[in-house]
Amino acid sequence: NAGVMQNPRHLVRRRGQEARLRCSPMKGHSHVYWYRQLPEEGLKFMVYLQKENIIDESGMPKERFSAEFPKEGPSILRIQQVVRGDSAAYFCASSPVGQRNQPQHFGDGTRLSIL
Amino acid sequence: DQQVKQNSPSLSVQEGRISILNCDYTNSMFDYFLWYKKYPAEGPTFLISISSIKDKNEDGRFTVFLNKSAKHLSLHIVPSQPGDSAVYFCAAQGAQKLVFGQGTRLTINP
Repeated sequence: NAGVMQNPRHLVRRRGQEARLRCSPMKGHSHVYWYRQLPEEGLKFMVYLQKENIIDESGMPKERFSAEFPKEGPSILRIQQVVRGDSAAYFCASSPVGQRNQPQHFGDGTRLSIL
Repeated sequence: DQQVKQNSPSLSVQEGRISILNCDYTNSMFDYFLWYKKYPAEGPTFLISISSIKDKNEDGRFTVFLNKSAKHLSLHIVPSQPGDSAVYFCAAQGAQKLVFGQGTRLTINP
């Protein structure tokens, strides 16, 4: 399966714990995007990364959230000191490098539940 | 500030007929528009897209129309099939990031 891979599919955390969500882009893609979907809403952009660089983090909450896409390994979305409002589905997407107007392809998401 | 709007939360269509899903946007800087289909517990699946320099793009049963002056796009599915039942999201791209509408739940009735 050469699609976007996200893990874990489901993650349960207690308030105050940390959540780490992982995303491996499609083969040949070096652009990664994270989106969040709250119940009954559309997906909302969080952050856009290329290898070792954050390009646009305008959708990231200012505190507790961070993202990285290291030279080796998957992209990580990290949420520190989780609160109930962080419960959502988090989707990762990827697109190829250097091509204008190419669709982003999505993984199946991580469903984060905060107890 | 909802830059992309899908005003119909749900749509019910008989199998074999045409399904028309609508989407409006406000930002004239968007230059690329996409439709995604989503099943429960899965990620959005790319269906079809259109560049702002075009007004129509067709792929099999799916056609997307873009009316730039009205800032409106629509997705036509014909003929509709039971497997088309899903939530459909339109999205607009500006500066590499996608802005999504709220989605329309399409139900195809036998």
